[in-house]
Formats: sequence, structure tokens, C-alpha cells
Amino acid sequence: GAGVSQSPSNKVTEKGKDVELRCDPISGHTALYWYRQSLGQGLEFLIYFQGNSAPDKSGLPSDRFSAERTGGSVSTLTIQRTQQEDSAVYLCASSLVVGVDTEAFFGQGTRLTVV
Amino acid sequence: GENVEQHPSTLSVQEGDSAVIKCTYSDSASNYFPWYKQELGKGPQLIIDIRSNVGEKKDQRIAVTLNKTAKHFSLHITETQPEDSAVYFCAASIALGDYKLSFGAGTTVTVRA
Repeated sequence: GAGVSQSPSNKVTEKGKDVELRCDPISGHTALYWYRQSLGQGLEFLIYFQGNSAPDKSGLPSDRFSAERTGGSVSTLTIQRTQQEDSAVYLCASSLVVGVDTEAFFGQGTRLTVV
Repeated sequence: GENVEQHPSTLSVQEGDSAVIKCTYSDSASNYFPWYKQELGKGPQLIIDIRSNVGEKKDQRIAVTLNKTAKHFSLHITETQPEDSAVYFCAASIALGDYKLSFGAGTTVTVRA
């Protein structure tokens, strides 16, 4: 596609349920990021995939959060046993890492509401 | 890891005036500094970036300056217009390194008509 695509755009889930958020990066982009943005707040780094390197998971807030990137393309962020504090917009970004070109392109985000 | 601090957190300016947002970074190896604009309900979009081999870059009403010695960089918006109202994020990364972008906390800019 033309840009980074995230699905669903909105998700309402009950506390305690698991959710999966999907990110389709721009074709050929080797780097992929997940960020969390709570209402009116900045971008909280969650996880970073770069090519075949081990992902940087240093931003995942708890072991309820996990992410994978299959075949170096699509990524899924999974939140298990959701809590109300998980409510936020989850943003995915991808970039073509070639030389010094590292511009990141963001998707529209998935707005997660835990009730 | 890299730590990016951004100030101010909110900025209100009169239409036509200038707006300045400042960021500092901690890792002297960082050499790529993009700025993103996020409008309500949308993902952040790149508006301008600067690499460490230059000290200033301008694109119409926006400009970015970089001081590598002091490890700070700034975004300048001149002749502000209502459509400039948004949240602005600075970021830093080490191109040719791990590439991971580290973001500032954001500045909410409101342009008063």
C-alpha cells in the first residue's frame, strides 16, 4: 500500500480480554516501531524491529505485552489480560533504513478502549 | 540509550507571530534529527529533518537549527497560521547505528486567530 496501515482503527474490549493489533508497514521498509500514546501525552516507545536483528523490547511495559513481526513485514502487537490503563492509541511506524535515510512513516493508529 | 527532552510542553502564539520549540539530546553519536507534526486524530507526519553535517535547514515557514556541541536543536515556525496548530515532536537517532528514533514528549502549539 501507499502508507502504513493499522487495523482495527478502533477497538473496544472488556477488561481481562486479549487483543491483537495489526500493522502493515510500507513495502520494503526494514524497520518497524510500535508506540503508545495516551490521551494528550507524548509517544511512549514500546518495541522496535530492524531487519533480522533481535527486536528492542525495552519499552514494553509488562509481560502482558508482546509483539512479533512475521517475514520481516506485518507486525502484530498482542496485549493479554487487558487493563483499563492500557487504553490508548497504539501507533505503528516503519522506515527504510538505507544509509542515513531513516525517515519514519506513521500509521493512523489503533484507538484501544478497555472497559 | 538516547534521551530527548522537549520544551515547552504547550505554546500559544498569536497568528502571524513566530513559534520556537527546543529539544536537547543526550547521545553525542546521534546524527539525525527529524520533527513531526501530529494533527488531531492522525499519526505524526515528518515536516522537516536535519542531519549533523549541517547547522540549519529551512523549508518555507519552518526552519530547524542544530548545535551539536551543546546537543540541542530547535524548530522555528514563522508567520504562524491557524493550520499550524498541532502537536509537534522532535526526535533523534543514530543513522548508520541502531537507527531507533527517540522522541521528545511533544509540544502542543495553539495559534490564536
